[in-house]
Amino acid sequence: ETGVTQSPTHLIKTRGQQVTLRCSSQSGHNTVSWYQQALGQGPQFIFQYYREEENGRGNFPPRFSGLQFPNYSSELNVNALELDDSALYLCASSTTPDSNQPQHFGDGTRLSIL
Amino acid sequence: AQSVTQLDSQVPVFEEAPVELRCNYSSSVSVYLFWYVQYPNQGLQLLLKYLSGSTLVKGINGFEAEFNKSQTSFHLRKPSVHISDTAEYFCAVSVNQGAQKLVFGQGTRLTINP
Repeated sequence: ETGVTQSPTHLIKTRGQQVTLRCSSQSGHNTVSWYQQALGQGPQFIFQYYREEENGRGNFPPRFSGLQFPNYSSELNVNALELDDSALYLCASSTTPDSNQPQHFGDGTRLSIL
Repeated sequence: AQSVTQLDSQVPVFEEAPVELRCNYSSSVSVYLFWYVQYPNQGLQLLLKYLSGSTLVKGINGFEAEFNKSQTSFHLRKPSVHISDTAEYFCAVSVNQGAQKLVFGQGTRLTINP
């Protein structure tokens, strides 16, 4: 059984640029969530995708956007990068969007903004 | 809104000693509770979850947690720790409303000394 995989593992960008992060969900999982983990903090919910539609969003501006594809993989796009966007971005998948279902996390993409 | 407070940012213990990592939550509705572990440069791994039923929950790697509704707590315990338990531990809650969103605490760094 293949777990959640994310790419790339590390990325360096400059302020104002745009970035796309990718996530392949665990086999059999149709729900994907994205989290931002700043250094020394717990992860914060960005948004969730279920059946290719956004299924809920945290307190993040519209320059954070996403997609989910028919194979349930997902992308996180961030426009107009700011220094505070430097963080570990975690993707998690689950079998359904029900709140009692555990989420399985990938190893994350570490994004550094210069 | 829900919130999670992990009362200790760092917990140093000696190998083979018992440990308790404390977690309190705040919510106006029923919650599901989770503990995740994060090893260096990795994503989050589910240790255990409380959904309903018995308030004592057993997880992987010898960890257990007890749900106390009156004290709104979900403390994590292990009777005898090993060097390999050195990691960051996160308590999280989700509610059965809207998106499947995990709200995390700030994390507790567990350091095992030989």
